[in-house]
Amino acid sequence: GQQVMQIPQYQHVQEGEDFTTYCNSSTTLSNIQWYKQRPGGHPVFLIQLVKSGEVKKQKRLTFQFGEAKKNSSLHITATQTTDVGTYFCAGPRNTNAGKSTFGDGTTLTVKP
Amino acid sequence: NAGVTQTPKFQVLKTGQSMTLQCAQDMNHNSMYWYRQDPGMGLRLIYYSASEGTTDKGEVPNGYNVSRLNKREFSLRLESAAPSQTSVYFCASELSSYNEQFFGPGTRLTVL
Repeated sequence: GQQVMQIPQYQHVQEGEDFTTYCNSSTTLSNIQWYKQRPGGHPVFLIQLVKSGEVKKQKRLTFQFGEAKKNSSLHITATQTTDVGTYFCAGPRNTNAGKSTFGDGTTLTVKP
Repeated sequence: NAGVTQTPKFQVLKTGQSMTLQCAQDMNHNSMYWYRQDPGMGLRLIYYSASEGTTDKGEVPNGYNVSRLNKREFSLRLESAAPSQTSVYFCASELSSYNEQFFGPGTRLTVL
């Protein structure tokens, strides 16, 4: 089953508001990846976090990896309509069934 | 560089029909994956291939078969399609373990 759980499932914001999605695991993750999927599109890699407590920024996006490496977050400051889409986190599986497991994603809608 | 290509883009099948989804990558990646994505849900791994000549089951392999034809190509076959296999199918490739995955544009399959 799923190793990483994402919350919330949906988030509706007014343009200019901030947005945060959280990814949680019951086990320690060696790394975590974040992807964005635009409506009707395919997932596109955003970033990978590896170190405990790591924080990385990409313009208005801030990614964090928890100290215990069991959780991660993606924060968007001052959302824009171009931010709409579904954001997925992905962590390594701890079974033999494949390499990475994806969370169910958080779908962001932005009202202009 | 085309990245990851998938054919066909759309397909409608009748229950019991068979078909093969094609995927190719030109990035000299070792690992390739097949996922399915149902409406409003995350990505579930069907099969993966860690390297040329090897394939392994993911979390939802029933009703599917795969072939890693060579390093570039990884095909997914539905032997007897069922309505439950209506989904969007994504192929992805990865240079090696826990690197970023590059996704193809997807195949939208409907089984009537």
